[in-house]
Amino acid sequence: QKEVEQNSGPLSVPEGAIASLNCTYSDRGSQSFFWYRQYSGKSPELIMFIYSNGDKEDGRFTAQLNKASQYVSLLIRDSQPSDSATYLCAADSGYALNFGKGTSLLVTP
Amino acid sequence: NAGVTQTPKFQVLKTGQSMTLQCAQDMNHNSMYWYRQDPGMGLRLIYYSASEGTTDKGEVPNGYNVSRLNKREFSLRLESAAPSQTSVYFCASSEWRGSNYGYTFGSGTRLTVV
Repeated sequence: QKEVEQNSGPLSVPEGAIASLNCTYSDRGSQSFFWYRQYSGKSPELIMFIYSNGDKEDGRFTAQLNKASQYVSLLIRDSQPSDSATYLCAADSGYALNFGKGTSLLVTP
Repeated sequence: NAGVTQTPKFQVLKTGQSMTLQCAQDMNHNSMYWYRQDPGMGLRLIYYSASEGTTDKGEVPNGYNVSRLNKREFSLRLESAAPSQTSVYFCASSEWRGSNYGYTFGSGTRLTVV
């Protein structure tokens, strides 16, 4: 079974702080990794994807990938209350995405 | 607006009833997927279609059937609904190239089987 693991949280950070979300995966064949944001009662929205080792930045978001450690992370700088949501990590299985169960993030004013 | 359209948004079924969840995308994507999302279980793949004319089982296919009617449409059928199929169902489509990498999800169908 190809696993994508995330801490369910909730992760609570104050407004303006950096939120750090982590994910590990079991399938060494996975090449690409994705972060989705899901608000309660809504569908997941793609934040960003990464497929090369290292960092990838997009606005306030930075994805980090370490294939040797099978580890993916998402940093959210200057966290806002509107960032409060569940963050889903996903790994490409070759034909579909395997999703983790998500980490709940709460940004407090 | 371009995207993935799912119908219905809500449905209540009695055990043993059948129904079809509809999904259509207007982004000319080749691949389409059906997932279910349950509390504490995350998103689990039911069936997928890599291209028009092909369908394959995912992680949890039992109790479901699918039809890739054409490139735009991918339907999910429950032949005899069971309470264990109470869930939120998401359809998604994808095209694996360039900036369109990754899924676009529909808004979901909340299904309750009583």
